[in-house]
Amino acid sequence: RKEVEQDPGPFNVPEGATVAFNCTYSNSASQSFFWYRQDCRKEPKLLMSVYSSGNEDGRFTAQLNRASQYISLLIRDSKLSDSATYLCARLAGYSTLTFGKGTMLLVSP
Amino acid sequence: DAGVIQSPRHEVTEMGQEVTLRCKPISGHNSLFWYRQTMMRGLELLIYFNNNVPIDDSGMPEDRFSAKMPNASFSTLKIQPSEPRDSAVYFCASSSSGREYEQYFGPGTRLTVT
Repeated sequence: RKEVEQDPGPFNVPEGATVAFNCTYSNSASQSFFWYRQDCRKEPKLLMSVYSSGNEDGRFTAQLNRASQYISLLIRDSKLSDSATYLCARLAGYSTLTFGKGTMLLVSP
Repeated sequence: DAGVIQSPRHEVTEMGQEVTLRCKPISGHNSLFWYRQTMMRGLELLIYFNNNVPIDDSGMPEDRFSAKMPNASFSTLKIQPSEPRDSAVYFCASSSSGREYEQYFGPGTRLTVT
């Protein structure tokens, strides 16, 4: 089993919809997780951190479920500009990130 | 402020040739990472430097790959000899001490080896 796994998608949703996708991890000792966003043919950019208590930033909510070993990203009121690939990442040790392959989101008019 | 700078942005070369990718991290960042991204394998960490010292090179595929960081503002990733399976997008990223999770990526170098 890979360290960090994601459904590649694509998730096709209309504007205004709510969409959620998960990322599972295999190392139960993992402590810190993050969501990065990568636009087509661009570099990844940090979107948000994931805390045990959850983390909300505007329309985006990230959650960590340690019992089931997954993190989730919820996007409310989807915008066309949300179309991108969303990469989850696990902090390995103190310094390096292990990334999933990403979930593609396509928001249509 | 300038972000992470990478050059070249695109590189097309023939199998067997030497390829050198360059990176200038964000000023003040003391951690630097080289990644490779392909459809099949996703985004993979190749090597991590802290204060110009290689800390983790376990992701370097084989001896054909080497990386250096001679000073805080410059790093290179070299492939010699290159092979078609090395075709990928190579990203350099940097971060500040204590915030290694917040990595700032360069625009990447798209390498094609024919």
